[in-house]
Amino acid sequence: EAEVAQSPRYKITEKSQAVAFWCDPISGHATLYWYRQILGQGPELLVQFQDESVVDDSQLPKDRFSAERLKGVDSTLKIQPAELGDSAMYLCASSSRDRRSGEQYFGPGTRLTVT
Amino acid sequence: AQKITQTQPGMFVQEKEAVTLDCTYDTSDQSYGLFWYKQPSSGEMIFLIYQGSYDEQNATEGRYSLNFQKARKSANLVISASQLGDSAMYFCAMREGGVYNNNDMRFGAGTRLTVKP
Repeated sequence: EAEVAQSPRYKITEKSQAVAFWCDPISGHATLYWYRQILGQGPELLVQFQDESVVDDSQLPKDRFSAERLKGVDSTLKIQPAELGDSAMYLCASSSRDRRSGEQYFGPGTRLTVT
Repeated sequence: AQKITQTQPGMFVQEKEAVTLDCTYDTSDQSYGLFWYKQPSSGEMIFLIYQGSYDEQNATEGRYSLNFQKARKSANLVISASQLGDSAMYFCAMREGGVYNNNDMRFGAGTRLTVKP
């Protein structure tokens, strides 16, 4: 069964350092989402791509976060510089418009700890 | 703005019994979709079930069913014959817009379900 791939699974970094996360969606899924999930809360959308274009990045802290999906397939989310409050789970998801329900399929996530 | 409310931070259920996880939502749209996801301690979000706002029948997927009460804006998840492996966080989510769309979802705060042997 096709899955969303993410790496790394775990990342520990010091504050003020740069960190990057990678996501490879399910093959053929045109829509890709990056979510941040703080411990004890539900995921919150950071950025949404349709193919290589950003559809929604209204909740992305653009002074330190950036995201790209250059060829409309895999995607990278970067934080520079990292702050203590960025410690969270970063989830990538993808979906297809071919499905009536349009459910999103999630990767295993990257658990970030900023020290 | 859309909002999802899950009022039960934690729930306990005896193995083999049924359990209902509550979810209420708020939207001014007429077309929307409701979803439930399971998140085990390993962290991945697993899609369980979907209900469209215009679907006349409540959705069912194996041991999962969605008790959809549109007028009350509630979409409760019912898990029948609970198993130990059902212990996890459960999130209710909503996406505004009709079918075949890829709008973003809004998630509730989640309910932690613990199944006791």
